[in-house]
Amino acid sequence: EAGVTQFPSHSVIEKGQTVTLRCDPISGHDNLYWYRRVMGKEIKFLLHFVKESKQDESGMPNNRFLAERTGGTYSTLKVQPAELEDSGVYFCASSRFIQGAAYEQYFGPGTRLTVT
Amino acid sequence: AQTVTQSQPEMSVQEAETVTLSCTYDTSESDYYLFWYKQPPSRQMILVIRQEAYKQQNATENRFSVNFQKAAKSFSLKISDSQLGDAAMYFCAYRSPDYGATNKLIFGTGTLLAVQP
Repeated sequence: EAGVTQFPSHSVIEKGQTVTLRCDPISGHDNLYWYRRVMGKEIKFLLHFVKESKQDESGMPNNRFLAERTGGTYSTLKVQPAELEDSGVYFCASSRFIQGAAYEQYFGPGTRLTVT
Repeated sequence: AQTVTQSQPEMSVQEAETVTLSCTYDTSESDYYLFWYKQPPSRQMILVIRQEAYKQQNATENRFSVNFQKAAKSFSLKISDSQLGDAAMYFCAYRSPDYGATNKLIFGTGTLLAVQP
């Protein structure tokens, strides 16, 4: 079973530019999550999709961030325009279940975004 | 709101020795889940161990075990017989109960564990 994959692994852009991050969850996982870790700080939740619907987007920092999940498969996270404080590692995770002891989120390797 | 605190930014242990990583959390919920995740250098984060708050028995997974103190809101991870492959960033995480409004994970800032040969 393939794991969660993310593309690109690294991205360096200038302030004001646009960047799109992609996440491919594990096949069959309806739940997809985005998290972000700013250097030295905790990993923070951004949002949660159930299939193509946004279940919880309470962690999205502002309207420069747009997340989509086309057809309930892969997801994209667009930052437009990027600011310096957007730098960090963006993690994607997926899960099959959302309740009970069987619940587990499987994480991708992350995309390291650097805004200069 | 729930918070998770990891007070040890870095730890070091000798190979074959035992090390304990600390984690405290704050919540008003009575039923929840706690996790330890491990992220090796340049690799994906993986689940090490989980604990359901309603269970009094501490979870164990091979060389990994937890000391769950619900009243103290403490959830430490003990790694026995440390191996070089245990070197990683370790994150403690909290999740609200199944009947809650969200199942997002709330993470601490992480502890970077070095294993000395």
